[in-house]
Amino acid sequence: SQTIHQWPATLVQPVGSPLSLECTVEGTSNPNLYWYRQAAGRGLQLLFYSVGIGQISSEVPQNLSASRPQDRQFILSSKKLLLSDSGFYLCASGRSTGELFFGEGSRLTVL
Amino acid sequence: DAKTTQPPSMDCAEGRAANLPCNHSTISGNEYVYWYRQIHSQGPQYIIHGLKNNETNEMASLIITEDRKSSTLILPHATLRDTAVYYCIVSPFSGNTGKLIFGQGTTLQVKP
Repeated sequence: SQTIHQWPATLVQPVGSPLSLECTVEGTSNPNLYWYRQAAGRGLQLLFYSVGIGQISSEVPQNLSASRPQDRQFILSSKKLLLSDSGFYLCASGRSTGELFFGEGSRLTVL
Repeated sequence: DAKTTQPPSMDCAEGRAANLPCNHSTISGNEYVYWYRQIHSQGPQYIIHGLKNNETNEMASLIITEDRKSSTLILPHATLRDTAVYYCIVSPFSGNTGKLIFGQGTTLQVKP
């Protein structure tokens, strides 16, 4: 079965600082990978998805970027964080049967 | 924008069946109905999905109306651990390229 590792689990960053969230997937190959964000009290917003190494699609304009340097590695980054970047970031992997398998998330607080 | 409509909240007594409705009146012929749930502070968990036939697995049953414009997720014997936000999503399925757009979901509170 698939396992998704996300780190760090929690972090507190000042406004204007850089960000790097990492996601790695085990138990599958060539998955579709996704980054979602959930702001406090809100639903899940799809940020990026990737169908392969180096292939990134952005769903909404924002202060963030994503990269996929390896088949099972997906990274979310920012050069300068904004207060509005605070939230719960979830990495997900698409299964061959169509459903998504989610990691446990990274909770970011920007102060 | 989400293409489904769900009640914002529901209550259910522990041990009873929880029936969560979802309207998806604009569903296309190639779109599946997916259900996920999110327990507080955790990542969403896949529950079940279907196209037009009713589906059942170890977690729940999915009943889809004949015109496919609505569906119901049934948790046959709800427990306190089933308290969560339940999301109903419609999306075309093409291999593993599912791109799911989540709405606000239904907050199910299971009460003792």
